[in-house]
Amino acid sequence: DTEVTQTPKHLVMGMTNKKSLKCEQHMGHRAMYWYKQKAKKPPELMFVYSYEKLSINESVPSRFSPECPNSSLLNLHLHALQPEDSALYLCASSHVLRDRGGEQYFGPGTRLTVT
Amino acid sequence: ELKVEQNPLFLSMQEGKNYTIYCNYSTTSDRLYWYRQDPGKSLESLFVLLSNGAVKQEGRLMASLDTKARLSTLHITAAVHDLSATYFCAVVERGNYGGSQGNLIFGKGTKLSVKP
Repeated sequence: DTEVTQTPKHLVMGMTNKKSLKCEQHMGHRAMYWYKQKAKKPPELMFVYSYEKLSINESVPSRFSPECPNSSLLNLHLHALQPEDSALYLCASSHVLRDRGGEQYFGPGTRLTVT
Repeated sequence: ELKVEQNPLFLSMQEGKNYTIYCNYSTTSDRLYWYRQDPGKSLESLFVLLSNGAVKQEGRLMASLDTKARLSTLHITAAVHDLSATYFCAVVERGNYGGSQGNLIFGKGTKLSVKP
């Protein structure tokens, strides 16, 4: 299984809503990532989990809250978002760099619209 | 701070022609990745280049890495319409190995359009 799955595929939420994005992989990867991608831009790293611990937080606003409940699952909890947070949110996973090369496999993404 | 520059950013090609996309990066790194992204879709891994002089080929695409020049190239041979997509190179910031993950820095992407 070389797939990273993400749910939901599309999400529309108001600025007062609370929602969560989910990501799952069964490739035995111990590093998982959240990226944000605006239209016609490259992905920007938000968070990195390594062995289920948060290792990188790229100065992301606190209205985004990541969670890694186990080695296969990664969540991104959303609260009080702004319209400028509308984007494609990509999850990725990889082996830890020192082990096998760190190639990241991306999920299909969640297209988020904040109204 | 690691910077990754791709050129060209836009490339319109005719079918059957050859072309090269360039990816320069500003600080030492020995791990470089090429990804493809179709409109509205996720990123598909094309190549992983892990050492100086590495060359990998898949179909009409060939990627190479020169770590001394801090340059990677993605060469397209006899382009076909199916290759139309945005291509990103990405480099791992060094100094983040050994138990923690590195930050993957992407170039701005090259939007390739192959016309008949």
